[in-house]
This record gives sequence, C-alpha cells and structure tokens, in this order.
Amino acid sequence: DAKTTQPTSMDCAEGRAANLPCNHSTISGNEYVYWYRQIHSQGPQYIIHGLKNNETNEMASLIITEDRKSSTLILPHATLRDTAVYYCIVRAGGNEKLTFGTGTRLTIIP
Amino acid sequence: EPEVTQTPSHQVTQMGQEVILRCVPISNHLYFYWYRQILGQKVEFLVSFYNNEISEKSEIFDDQFSVERPDGSNFTLKIRSTKLEDSAMYFCASSPRTSFDEQFFGPGTRLTVL
Repeated sequence: DAKTTQPTSMDCAEGRAANLPCNHSTISGNEYVYWYRQIHSQGPQYIIHGLKNNETNEMASLIITEDRKSSTLILPHATLRDTAVYYCIVRAGGNEKLTFGTGTRLTIIP
Repeated sequence: EPEVTQTPSHQVTQMGQEVILRCVPISNHLYFYWYRQILGQKVEFLVSFYNNEISEKSEIFDDQFSVERPDGSNFTLKIRSTKLEDSAMYFCASSPRTSFDEQFFGPGTRLTVL
C-alpha cells in the first residue's frame, strides 16, 4: 500500500470547517483512500473513502486531487466531539488489512 | 444501529497464562479482523478471517496466537502464553460484503499482562 503523510496536529475552532490534508504521492490506480478517526482510546471509526471522485456523506466530504496524489477530509461544522486522531489510509484492491500511521491529532477549540 | 461488541473490556493476567478475547461482529458481516494498539503506538493489524479461515496475518501473529469462529456469532482471539509485551488494546472489526467495505471496530479489550 502507498505511504501517506499527514500533519502531526491541527487545531480548529468549533463551528468552523476542519480541513485535514493527506499526501499520498505514490498511490497507484487500484488504491482507495480511506479516512478513519479514533477518539481517545476507542476503536477506530470509519468516516469516508473514495477512489478518484469527490465523496460526501453525513459525516464529512473527501476531496481527491485530479492526479490522486493528495486528498483533504473536510468536517463542515466541527464540534468538540470531533476532537480525535484522524487517519488517512491508502488501501489496495484485494488487500483486506488497514495499515494505520500516526495520523493527525485534531483538537477542536471552543 | 448494529455494532461490534467485545468482552471483557479489561483483562488482567499473569505472564504465561492463556487468554481468550471475545468479539461479536455485526450480524451478516463476512470479514473479521483483529488489531492491537500498544499504549501510545499505532494501531497494528494482526489477522483477517473469511469463510472460516485466516486470509491474512501479520508478523505479530505468531504461533502463540489463534483465532476461531466457534459458532455463528462469536469471533475469538486466543493468546496461548502471554508475554509482558502482549499488553495492549485489542480491537475486533468486521466488514459486510467485500474486503473493500469499511471496517466497523469494537470498543476494544484492554489486556494487561503482569
């Protein structure tokens, strides 16, 4: 699976949009971009995934650049409960496991 | 909303003892996983299980580890002879139809080996 690079930490004001970047410059054609988050020491929680088109669900939006070398997870109206570690994971077709990095620690500021 | 459950939430054991961590995946899910997270470190993949057999395992998953789906609902991880370095949070996960689907994680079992 391709390696990802994320900032170690970010802050965002409550009510604002949180934009979390991820670099995956070595991604290959059959690899999807997944985002998970982990609140405290709870089990990781799936947020969203995509291949090349932008995706949106009730939690977030995923914007993938045209060359697929980077992506941005957008939490449109961050709340205090969104404080967590966010993981960007690139996963190849047929590869079942998720390979977690160190992620971005997002802190929502009241 | 269906969820993955794990028991116990915390298990304390002596080094060399056997432990069994239990998971109830979401009903009708077909793929099952175990991950672990040593305190302050990354979440690490241990093993995946599909169609009643291991489909992939990591280097961590050595002969001391085994998994089983003894009935239609439970999925267990057994550590035969625990070591101090097995102390970690163990997360079970399941996914619905294909290996591409999102994985739903349980709350974890904190294993402490003394």
